[in-house]
Amino acid sequence: DAKTTQPNSMESNEEEPVHLPCNHSTISGTDYIHWYRQLPSQGPEYVIHGLTSNVNNRMASLAIAEDRKSSTLILHRATLRDAAVYYCILRATRVTYGNKLVFGAGTILRVKS
Amino acid sequence: EAGVVQSPRYKIIEKKQPVAFWCNPISGHNTLYWYLQNLGQGPELLIRYENEEAVDDSQLPKDRFSAERLKGVDSTLKIQPAELGDSAVYLCASSLQGTNTEAFFGQGTRLTVV
Repeated sequence: DAKTTQPNSMESNEEEPVHLPCNHSTISGTDYIHWYRQLPSQGPEYVIHGLTSNVNNRMASLAIAEDRKSSTLILHRATLRDAAVYYCILRATRVTYGNKLVFGAGTILRVKS
Repeated sequence: EAGVVQSPRYKIIEKKQPVAFWCNPISGHNTLYWYLQNLGQGPELLIRYENEEAVDDSQLPKDRFSAERLKGVDSTLKIQPAELGDSAVYLCASSLQGTNTEAFFGQGTRLTVV
């Protein structure tokens, strides 16, 4: 599985934007970039995913570098409820491997009021 | 719609005892995962099912762990005998079959082995 690298932790002020980086220099052409987050005492939850183009949904935006070797999850206005561990995951698109979901250590996001 | 349901939420057992965890996935989800999560670490995949078939169980310690998914719906994960190092959160997740589908996780079972 291609590997991702994320900072161990980040801190943000409430109501400000947060940019969570992820490096994936060994990404293959068919790997999708997925983000999940895990709130305290909860199971992980899906945030967003993309392949090449930037993506937006109600939770966040995903900005993908042109060479696809890095990506950034953007929370436009952080709230205290966004404090969580954020995981950047690469998922292969081949059918036999496409459902594999391999987590790294993630980034702990702390939000200050 | 109900999400992924796991039980029990918490379990405390003595070492060498057996323990079982149960998972009811979202209706219609063909893919089911069991993960183990140690404190401060990301979830680690133990086993993945596509319907009734275990398609990826390479990380399952088969000397003491076993899993089954009868009829391709509910699943149980068993440990026998439990060891102190098995204390962790056990997470179940499910998704539709196919590539790049969103996985939905249960709240997990926190196991403490004393």
